[in-house]
Order: sequence, then C-alpha cells, then structure tokens
Amino acid sequence: SQQGEEDPQALSIQEGENATMNCSYKTSINNLQWYRQNSGRGLVHLILIRSNEREKHSGRLRVTLDTSKKSSSLLITASRAADTASYFCATDGRSSNTGKLIFGQGTTLQVKP
Amino acid sequence: DSGVTQTPKHLITATGQRVTLRCSPRSGDLSVYWYQQSLDQGLQFLIQYYNGEERAKGNILERFSAQQFPDLHSELNLSSLELGDSALYFCASSDRDGIYNEQFFGPGTRLTVL
Repeated sequence: SQQGEEDPQALSIQEGENATMNCSYKTSINNLQWYRQNSGRGLVHLILIRSNEREKHSGRLRVTLDTSKKSSSLLITASRAADTASYFCATDGRSSNTGKLIFGQGTTLQVKP
Repeated sequence: DSGVTQTPKHLITATGQRVTLRCSPRSGDLSVYWYQQSLDQGLQFLIQYYNGEERAKGNILERFSAQQFPDLHSELNLSSLELGDSALYFCASSDRDGIYNEQFFGPGTRLTVL
C-alpha cells in the first residue's frame, strides 16, 4: 500500500504562476524526498528533507515538512513549461533504516506556455 | 542522464514466460533498488541489494527474484508471467545503504505481457 497520498492529483497552471503540491504520509519518517518524472521516464531526485528540518530550498523549489501533521508540501515558483511532469513524494518509514522508499501516487502538473 | 542503465528498454512477451531485466548502477554506487510502476498500484518498491547482499524486501512476488553480482550490476527475474505483471520496471542506485540517500533512477524497462 502507498505510504503517501498527494493532493491534488492533477494541477494545471499558466507559465509564471506558482505550483503547490501536498503530500501526506502515515508512519513516522527519517526523511522525505521529492522526485519528478517526465512522461514514462525515470525519476529525477529533487530534494530531500530530514525529519528534524522544517523547510528547505533548492533553486525555485521550496519544500516544507510538518511531522506533527505528517505532511509535506512542494512549491515550485515561477513555473515554466519544462516543469510539466509528475511529482512524487517518497518516505523511508522510520522502522526501515534502509534506503527503501515508499512513494505516493503523485501529482501531475501541467504548465501551459 | 542519471548514469544508471537498464536493458532492454521494451520487452513484449506472453503469459507464462520468464524474462530477465538488467541494471547497471552508477559507477561507484553499491546499492541497487528495483521498483515497479503500474497504473493501478503506482510506484512500488520491490527489493534492494547492497554490495551483493539483499538488504530490504518490499512487495515482491515469489515469482520474482533478483540478485546483484560482484561487478554490482543487478538482474531482476520475472517468471510465470501474468497479464498483471505488465508495468514499467525501474532500477535505481545510490552510493551507500541506509537512510538519507538520494536515489538515481534508470530509464526503466517497459514490460508488456500478452
């Protein structure tokens, strides 16, 4: 079963707008990661946030983590057509202590030029 | 390009058959992970190997098996194939075991079972 659930399932915005995706998970975690997948291709790692961190930035990406609510959000600012992709959150599950990742169902983002 | 290679890119086979998917991790990476992506199940972790040893197991069917060889490449064997095994199979690698590891994904093998 999936650890994470993402919201919304699909998002369509205009170029230049911001896109926000949310992820909720069920069990305690050591870290949460966000990945991007262009249509039918391999996933690309975007950012990793540890359970003791609340916010992290990477370029136009901002990730927040609220462990009390078991949720995370990914904000993409000033979106571009090239940001069109599916975005997945992934968690490790605190009991795991391995690199095993449990993925959410993903948010499909369409950025219109 | 992630540096992870997977072969073949596409595979079409019949029910009941057996196939082998191959993965070469990034140079220097010791951990290899296999994931299955299907429309109904999403992205599911199958199995992880670290430096030749099985490290973690997920929702991997008994009909499926994997191994990591001394040169660190890995193979995923799928046998007695069923229609429901049709999916994208991804391999990923990371430089070490444990948590806090960014994983680098290969382009995937698309398996179609007819």
